[in-house]
Amino acid sequence: EIVLTQSPGTLSLSPGEGASLSCRASQSLSSRYLAWYQQKPGQAPRLLIYGASNRATGIPDRFSGSGSGTDFTLTISRLEPEDFVLYFCQQYDTKPLTFGGGTKVEI
Amino acid sequence: QLQLQESGPGLVKPSETLSLTCSVSGGSITSNYYWVWLRQPPGKGLEWIASIGYSGNDYYNPSLKSRATISIDTSKNQFSLRVNFISAADTALYYCVRSRGIPQEDWNFDLWGRGTLVTVSS
Repeated sequence: EIVLTQSPGTLSLSPGEGASLSCRASQSLSSRYLAWYQQKPGQAPRLLIYGASNRATGIPDRFSGSGSGTDFTLTISRLEPEDFVLYFCQQYDTKPLTFGGGTKVEI
Repeated sequence: QLQLQESGPGLVKPSETLSLTCSVSGGSITSNYYWVWLRQPPGKGLEWIASIGYSGNDYYNPSLKSRATISIDTSKNQFSLRVNFISAADTALYYCVRSRGIPQEDWNFDLWGRGTLVTVSS
């Protein structure tokens, strides 16, 4: 199975700063089948990005995704207070579908 | 607006069978999506369990070693999950979700239930 490694585990930043979250796959995702989710405490995750770089419906443009092969990045251009939560990546290139361990963005 | 709602027992004894149901409201389950079960152990990441289409085509995570069965009931607009031989390692928040579509490029998840906590304990 494809293992997704997210780094860093925790990112300490301030509102207004930019954030860069990494998701590395144990083998190449040939078709950029990589998604990002945001999870707030006590809530289900929300889809942010699919196809490595496509924003899901209703997602602000301060969220962007990039990457290919084994290295993918979620960038948050200007952190808002509500962005200080948990983020997961997911690959759907190969079954079983797998998720990364998560990056927590904290103040 | 389509909504998903999980229902289940909350507490299950070790070695028993876990049964969960996801009720789909505000739309038909016979549409071109995969209906999916995921789980999240306390403080950990997400794990894909199984997916099913409305025609019954299903896919499973081998990690559950054939203990899991996903099914769909189009007459009730529901889909379900059964997991046999439950152990403490199966304690998790179980989510029912919908994929964005049928093609592989859409095997990500844009609609989620609130999740139901399943605790395995004697």
